[in-house]
Amino acid sequence: NAGVTQTPKFQVLKTGQSMTLQCAQDMNHEYMSWYRQDPGMGLRLIHYSVGAGITDQGEVPNGYNVSRSTTEDFPLRLLSAAPSQTSVYFCASSHKYSDEQYFGPGTRLTVT
Amino acid sequence: AQKVTQAQTEISVVEKEDVTLDCVYETRDTTYYLFWYKQPPSGELVFLIRRNSFDEQNEISGRYSWNFQKSTSSFNFTITASQVVDSAVYFCALSEADAGGTSYGKLTFGQGTILTVHP
Repeated sequence: NAGVTQTPKFQVLKTGQSMTLQCAQDMNHEYMSWYRQDPGMGLRLIHYSVGAGITDQGEVPNGYNVSRSTTEDFPLRLLSAAPSQTSVYFCASSHKYSDEQYFGPGTRLTVT
Repeated sequence: AQKVTQAQTEISVVEKEDVTLDCVYETRDTTYYLFWYKQPPSGELVFLIRRNSFDEQNEISGRYSWNFQKSTSSFNFTITASQVVDSAVYFCALSEADAGGTSYGKLTFGQGTILTVHP
């Protein structure tokens, strides 16, 4: 199992550009989520999904879109990047009956 | 709304010292899960422990131990005889669950405690 994979590892964007952070898991987990990590603030939930076709907002959803067309993939889209979105982004997945979250290695995003 | 507070922003100890990382949480739910994660300098998040709200039994795993007290809404983490390799950021997290125990994978994290162990 590759576990949870995220691409890219690093990305630099200019303000106003768009991009998609990719997240995939091969464990057949029902739940997937996106977090951002900022210094001194821990990780904060952006969006989450309880299954294919079902997504919902977390604590800090503004400026981000998600969709979940398959169980395996949960991409995070930035439609118009802003400097405030400079952060480290983590994707996570878990089994419906387990609650142990498996985290990806993270994507470090810088918006200039 | 749920909240997790790690009052210690940074802790610095010398190798072989014992160190306790504090975690206090707030939730209105009766069913919830508590977690500790370690984030070493390499940046990945390493799962350490999960505890559900109905299990107040303390746990020991090698040099690590956890003290869960519902009466004070605390879930503290102690490292005995600390080592340089324990240097990392440690996060406490909370996941609320429905009556059936399903949490939907939504975690609320504390701010993290930076632990530095000096040789």
